[in-house]
Formats: sequence, C-alpha cells, structure tokens
Amino acid sequence: GAVVSQHPSWVICKSGTSVKIECRSLDFQATTMFWYRQFPKQSLMLMATSNEGSKATYEQGVEKDKFLINHASLTLSTLTVTSAHPEDSSFYICSARTGQGLFEQYFGPGTRLTVT
Amino acid sequence: DAKTTQPTSMDCAEGRAANLPCNHSTISGNEYVYWYRQIHSQGPQYIIHGLKNNETNEMASLIITEDRKSSTLILPHATLRDTAVYYCIVATGANSKLTFGKGITLSVRP
Repeated sequence: GAVVSQHPSWVICKSGTSVKIECRSLDFQATTMFWYRQFPKQSLMLMATSNEGSKATYEQGVEKDKFLINHASLTLSTLTVTSAHPEDSSFYICSARTGQGLFEQYFGPGTRLTVT
Repeated sequence: DAKTTQPTSMDCAEGRAANLPCNHSTISGNEYVYWYRQIHSQGPQYIIHGLKNNETNEMASLIITEDRKSSTLILPHATLRDTAVYYCIVATGANSKLTFGKGITLSVRP
C-alpha cells in the first residue's frame, strides 16, 4: 500500500519556539493532505485540510496563525507550530489521499511533540 | 455525516473471532461505512469499507444489516497484534473528511 512518512518522529522544544513537522507521500502523489492532532487517551481531531498550491482550510477552533501549513508539492506538506506552549504538546498525525475515496487515505506514523 | 455509536471496549481470546459492532441509525443512502484501526502510538490504518453489501478482504469482513443502521467488523482469527482502537466512520466518500469518534478498544488476550 501507499506509504506516508513524517519527520521527526518525536521532538522536544522549549516554550516560545517554533517547530516544523514534515509529511511526505513516498510512492504516490497526494491530491489532498490532512493534519490531525491527538491528545492522550483521546481520539484524532482534524486540524486542517490542504491541497497542493492552495491555502489550507482549517477546522473551527484551530488557529491558522499558530499552526502554519504549507503544501508545497504533491508529495510534501509541512506543519509549523509557532510560539509553542506546553498545551501544544500532542501527537500530530498527517494523512494523504491518493484519490477521492476515503479508503484511499493513508496515515503517517505520527510525530510526538513535547513543549517544555 | 451520520454519527456512529460503538461500545467503549471489548476483549477476545487469541485465535477466536472478534466481532466489533457499530450503530449508525441515521446513515443516509449515499454514505459508506468505513473501518480504521489505530495501534498504540501509530497512525490509523484503513481496514475495510462498504455501502450495503457485505465485504471481505485479507484483513476482515464487514457485515452491514439490510436496513444499514448497523454493521459488524469481523476479525476472523484475532491475534495479539490486533489489539488496537477500532473506529467505525460513516461518510459519503468523495471529497469527504474522515471524522474519528472515540472508537472501540479491542484487547486480544493470550
């Protein structure tokens, strides 16, 4: 099946700094990419949807100026958490879709962010 | 998209079939039933999906009731590696978004 990678797999940063997470579709071109956030013992929450070359569409309650998404190519999307705070500590998961069907959506392994 | 209801947790013995139920009583005619699972600290993994006919693949079987208001995911021979949170999602499919509920935690015991 299609493979999605994320880098880094885990990161620790200090409060007030910014951190960038990369999401790559390794063997396919993704029409759409998604970013999710998951707090401990909770379900995944969709943060934003992005299409290559377009501005991301953010879900209600997600600050677009804090979570910057750049979908530079059909195989790469980045999420930058700006001015990180301890409450931003979470598991961030990206997903990429090869076509229109939901079953054609593949998830990355996730990035564990800890803000100290 | 229609809402789904799943039990919080269940367990089964290794080698036995695991039957995971899901209620989706408000499902509409053009909505599919999707199942994903998430093993601890990993990204979700697609399992199977269906519209109204029963479906089977190398991972599982999906049984959808005739009125489509509920479905059951069947793992025919559960292994310890099947321990995960299983999400039942109802969505139209084309250009729709995957919205995850709380899912059901399946624990497979030796």
